[in-house]
Amino acid sequence: QQPVQSPQAVILREGEDAVINCSSSKALYSVHWYRQKHGEAPVFLMILLKGGEQKGHEKISASFNEKKQQSSLYLTASQLSYSGTYFCGTEVERGSTLGRLYFGRGTQLTVWP
Amino acid sequence: EADIYQTPRYLVIGTGKKITLECSQTMGHDKMYWYQQDPGMELHLIHYSYGVNSTEKGDLSSESTVSRIRTEHFPLTLESARPSHTSQYLCASSRHGGETQYFGPGTRLLVL
Repeated sequence: QQPVQSPQAVILREGEDAVINCSSSKALYSVHWYRQKHGEAPVFLMILLKGGEQKGHEKISASFNEKKQQSSLYLTASQLSYSGTYFCGTEVERGSTLGRLYFGRGTQLTVWP
Repeated sequence: EADIYQTPRYLVIGTGKKITLECSQTMGHDKMYWYQQDPGMELHLIHYSYGVNSTEKGDLSSESTVSRIRTEHFPLTLESARPSHTSQYLCASSRHGGETQYFGPGTRLLVL
């Protein structure tokens, strides 16, 4: 039930854009995005709910395609602080697994000056 | 800001020792989770709790046990540590299932 993330790793120059994808074989109720810096705890970025709107947070936004059970995270004009590993966590339809999340393997993003 | 704490942050211990990893949160969250994460790999759910006296095993088979006697406290115990237990253990909590999970800083465990 683990979602699949792509790409596994991205290397960018400061100011460039990146897209990270997360796809599931199961029907999803929500998708959660987290960023984890080396040696630190994962930090919540945003949640996308089934039937909800695209979310945004400064220059980081995300979308959720319910038909394809896919979510994409968009990082525009990347900054050095964006470096880290990005995880998506997926919640399958509520009632079946009581709201627990399944996490992907993560996408390692490195931003160079 | 999330208030969830884990101790110790780092632990190096010999095979066969009993260890307890502590996790506490001050947010009054009902749901708490333990994940195991190897370098470069996904988070695997090993235990979760929906409230006091409620614990369930996750996907990844684990020889560890947990308890939830108080809402704020969710310790994980390994009765006899083995090198295969070497990993990072992350604790998380959420107000309700499916809502934002807040993670603690993690415990890096090395079993020699």
